[in-house]
Amino acid sequence: DTAVSQTPKYLVTQMGNDKSIKCEQNLGHDTMYWYKQDSKKFLKIMFSYNNKELIINETVPNRFSPKSPDKAHLNLHINSLELGDSAVYFCASSPDWNTEAFFGQGTRLTVV
Amino acid sequence: AQSVAQPEDQVNVAEGNPLTVKCTYSVSGNPYLFWYVQYPNRGLQFLLKYITGDNLVKGSYGFEAEFNKSQTSFHLKKPSALVSDSALYFCAVRAGTYKYIFGTGTRLKVLA
Repeated sequence: DTAVSQTPKYLVTQMGNDKSIKCEQNLGHDTMYWYKQDSKKFLKIMFSYNNKELIINETVPNRFSPKSPDKAHLNLHINSLELGDSAVYFCASSPDWNTEAFFGQGTRLTVV
Repeated sequence: AQSVAQPEDQVNVAEGNPLTVKCTYSVSGNPYLFWYVQYPNRGLQFLLKYITGDNLVKGSYGFEAEFNKSQTSFHLKKPSALVSDSALYFCAVRAGTYKYIFGTGTRLKVLA
């Protein structure tokens, strides 16, 4: 069983479209994250959630809206996609905010 | 400002030789430090962490890291490198509640 799973794995879409990425973890963790990895492999945190509540929004544009319907899921919706949104997006989870994170395999988003 | 630096973009080492991947950090308070590895087209995998205790931390796949408070460093080491260790390595530091900063990554290439 995959611990942290993201869908889709690849996403190609046109500028201006709206898209969603889904994330589920079966580890029973309380904390979930979204990270963005750019073309230079720089990894930056976008959002942190704990027990479905938003804790960190790291100056991400309002076009990005995370949603956590329950503790095991953290989805990412992106409105009005821009070329600069092209990146690999990683979902991760951890038992709490002091421990290591378990990462999904990533979603490669390409905006054309 | 809290930060983490990986001064080397790439490290080349011959198989069987010891390897070191460098990481320095700047945080307020006691540092929580992590190393992750990323294989191509995969998510990050946790290797080891330092929170408190012994300065030499042992982790997965024979890796270890040495915490040096005076030099604010947390270098990743392995006594004998394998070709399969070739990957991208990230150092990370806890930069606040639910917030982590990742280094820019170091590509390790182990030559047969």
